[in-house]
Amino acid sequence: QVQLVESGGGVVQPGRSLRLSCAASGFTFSDYGIHWVRQAPGKGLEWVAAVSYDGINKYYADSVKGRFTISRDNSENTLYLQMNSLRAEDTAVYYCGKIQIVGAARNYFDCWGQGTLVTVSS
Amino acid sequence: EIVLTQSPATLSLSPGERTTLSCRASQSVRYYLAWYQQRPGQAPRLLIYDASNRATGIPARFSGSGSGTDFTLTISSLEPEDFAVYYCQQRSDWPITFGQGTRLEIK
Repeated sequence: QVQLVESGGGVVQPGRSLRLSCAASGFTFSDYGIHWVRQAPGKGLEWVAAVSYDGINKYYADSVKGRFTISRDNSENTLYLQMNSLRAEDTAVYYCGKIQIVGAARNYFDCWGQGTLVTVSS
Repeated sequence: EIVLTQSPATLSLSPGERTTLSCRASQSVRYYLAWYQQRPGQAPRLLIYDASNRATGIPARFSGSGSGTDFTLTISSLEPEDFAVYYCQQRSDWPITFGQGTRLEIK
């Protein structure tokens, strides 16, 4: 079945870096746009970044632009989020989400991972 | 950025009751709106897409309507597992945005 599994979360000091991964299975990974969405403790959902099916087009929320980089390796069915210059306000559960429609970058999320917690604290 | 405003913030209801949740957009999103359910400790689940289409496996008691700036999610008869937080999301333009959520709690 379609599955996304995030990893790489943990506790990190402000200003440091962290790389998240999202391993996909059960579908043709290279056909779909994939996004990162985060949720701060007790708060709502915030879209973070997206990458097109072919890895060419990338989109970012203003809150992370210039600090985070999204990428994908279609040969390994894996999505990444490189997070630099981390701040306390980046503390959240980070979910990867698969886009519903083949070839689309901007759409709805029909499959989500279980999330990985990133805590930015000194 | 398109701002989605959900109301009410919290609803207290009993199993078996009917309820309607609202999502209002700051500008037209046409019909490009989805609804998600998030239970405690779980990832969100897609319920409704393009305003009125049920996602795969979603029970018929869930229905969506609306277009432009005003949308509703209706649950015709609440089951115990429906008590959760509901979010709307627009795909009309970048950045993708979510509403702040409506918490549906047991009365």
